[in-house]
Amino acid sequence: DAGVIQSPRHEVTEMGQEVTLRCKPISGHDYLFWYRQTMMRGLELLIYFNNNVPIDDSGMPEDRFSAKMPNASFSTLKIQPSEPRDSAVYFCASNHGTVKYNEQFFGPGTRLTVL
Amino acid sequence: AQKITQTQPGMFVQEKEAVTLDCTYDTSDPSYGLFWYKQPSSGEMIFLIYQGSYDQQNATEGRYSLNFQKARKSANLVISASQLGDSAMYFCAMRLNRDDKIIFGKGTRLHILP
Repeated sequence: DAGVIQSPRHEVTEMGQEVTLRCKPISGHDYLFWYRQTMMRGLELLIYFNNNVPIDDSGMPEDRFSAKMPNASFSTLKIQPSEPRDSAVYFCASNHGTVKYNEQFFGPGTRLTVL
Repeated sequence: AQKITQTQPGMFVQEKEAVTLDCTYDTSDPSYGLFWYKQPSSGEMIFLIYQGSYDQQNATEGRYSLNFQKARKSANLVISASQLGDSAMYFCAMRLNRDDKIIFGKGTRLHILP
């Protein structure tokens, strides 16, 4: 399997622009998680889905952030409008709910820079 | 609320020595799992080892072992015979078995010296 796929790997944009991050989970995994990693705040869970349904979005910082999962193989995280403080590495992770470990498999991350 | 604490922001260790990375956790739930992940400078998150709260023995995976002390609520990662490639950020994490989310600690940056 190709693992969790994220695109783009790097994104540089200007303040106020819309940013869309993409994720393809591992086939067969029924859970998908979006994280944000910064030096100051560490690894934060933003939102997660089970069977394409958002379960907990309490970590989404504000209304500028939105996430969708239209099908089992694709999810997006959108920031509109973007701000410099959104600069971070955004990870997508997936796992299979019935696996004992529930180990999460992480994608390579998207490094977002908002100027 | 659940919490993971990693008190060592950074560590320097000589190559071939054993390393212990500290992790304490806080939960009142009796059923949970503990994880360690490695994040090298390339940025990806790599799963290392898992320990269930009801597992009788400490988990081991190659050079990695988890020193699980349930009464103390600690889950230290031990790396035997450290290698230069072990230099990375290490995260301790916990998931309650009644929940889907994994909570991560702040991490410990490990530097292996030649």
